[in-house]
Amino acid sequence: GNSVTQMEGPVTLSEEAFLTINCTYTATGYPSLFWYVQYPGEGLQLLLKATKADDKGSNKGFEATYRKETTSFHLEKGSVQVSDSAVYFCVADPKRGGSNYKLTFGKGTLLTVNP
Amino acid sequence: NAGVTQTPKFRVLKTGQSMTLLCAQDMNHEYMYWYRQDPGMGLRLIHYSVGEGTTAKGEVPDGYNVSRLKKQNFLLGLESAAPSQTSVYFCASSWGQAVGTQYFGPGTRLLVL
Repeated sequence: GNSVTQMEGPVTLSEEAFLTINCTYTATGYPSLFWYVQYPGEGLQLLLKATKADDKGSNKGFEATYRKETTSFHLEKGSVQVSDSAVYFCVADPKRGGSNYKLTFGKGTLLTVNP
Repeated sequence: NAGVTQTPKFRVLKTGQSMTLLCAQDMNHEYMYWYRQDPGMGLRLIHYSVGEGTTAKGEVPDGYNVSRLKKQNFLLGLESAAPSQTSVYFCASSWGQAVGTQYFGPGTRLLVL
């Protein structure tokens, strides 16, 4: 079946540090890939996405590139801020159509950024 | 637009009690979903709906029922609450052709004693 494995947290960084959160997936075919972010006390929000190999998703200074060869979709940001403190989820959509509407979620990575 | 709203925000139940969680969306989305979030487990899909009057089971449907009588509303019911249902419940909605892009509500925290 499909699965998403992401870096276990928690991750603690100082402001302006470089961030990488690793994500790899196992799926039949080539799923669409997403990063969602959950700020404290809130629901998940879509951060960025990529729908095919070599696509780069970007938003709010975050980037992730869909690497078919390594089945990866690592999240990066060059300089984190305290306001980036949140839980980050890597998510795969198998795009199989039909009756399969189930996304595959990673377990989430808690990021804490200290001033 | 309010997006996706959920009521209540927090509830405490005793074992065996029943309750209904309400989700409403104002984006005219066809698809709606109920998830539960537990520490270390990510999000797990309970039930979903692909249109008014239709519902289907997700990966953890036992102990829950749902109804989608109106396109904008998706109700999650617990007929006889159990401590194992203590969790944070999220509702989400999406366009039919963009299942991966889901819009989430703020969540309902449920404690079953």
